[in-house]
Amino acid sequence: GENVGLHLPTLSVQEGDNSIINCAYSNSASDYFIWYKQESGKGPQFIIDIRSNMDKRQGQRVTVLLNKTVKHLSLQIAATQPGDSAVYFCAGPTGRFGAGTRLTVKP
Amino acid sequence: SAVISQKPSRDICQRGTSLTIQCQVDSQVTMMFWYRQQPGQSLTLIATANQGSEATYESGFVIDKFPISRPNLTFSTLTVSNMSPEDSSIYLCSVEYSSGSNEQFFGPGTRLTVL
Repeated sequence: GENVGLHLPTLSVQEGDNSIINCAYSNSASDYFIWYKQESGKGPQFIIDIRSNMDKRQGQRVTVLLNKTVKHLSLQIAATQPGDSAVYFCAGPTGRFGAGTRLTVKP
Repeated sequence: SAVISQKPSRDICQRGTSLTIQCQVDSQVTMMFWYRQQPGQSLTLIATANQGSEATYESGFVIDKFPISRPNLTFSTLTVSNMSPEDSSIYLCSVEYSSGSNEQFFGPGTRLTVL
C-alpha cells in the first residue's frame, strides 16, 4: 500500500494569511487522496479530495494540488481563520493516514 | 453525510480486562472501519468490518486481540481484549458509502485508558 507522510508536524500562521500544508506519498499507483481536518476531541472531517487524473482541485477557500512526478500533494487554505486551527491529515484510498500537521492560527 | 455515534465515549479499565466499543450509524453503509489514534499521533487502521463475514485486519492487528462484529449495515463493535496500558488510545469507527468516493465519515471516538 501507499505510505503517506507529511513534511512538517506544525505550522503557525497569522489570521488572514494563506496556509500551505504538504504531504508526500510513496506509491505511484495511488489514484486518490483525501484531506481531513481534525479538531480537538473530534473525529476527522473530510475537506477535499483529488483523483490522480487531476492536478488541482478547488473548494471553498481550499485548494489541493497534486504533483505526480514527485509524488507530492498540498493543501492550501486561503485567508486562514482561527476556526481553521486543527490537525490536518492527508490519506490515501486504502484508509492510510499521513502523520498530520497541526495548524495554529494566530489572531 | 452520516451521523455516527460511539459508546462509550470514554472508559478507564484495568489491565487484563476487555472492553467492547459500539458504533452505530443512522443509515446503511457499505464499509465500516476501525482506527486507533494515540495522543498527538495519526490514525492507524485496525481493520475493515465486513457485514456477515470476518473482519479484514491490517498488519500488526489480530482477531484474538481485536475481535470485531458487524451483524448488519448500521452497527459494528470492536473489542479490545486482555488490555494493557499500551492499548490506551482513542478508538474511532468510520464509514464509507458506495458512492464512488472513498470519503470516510468518522465517529467521535472512544477514549480508552488502561491502568
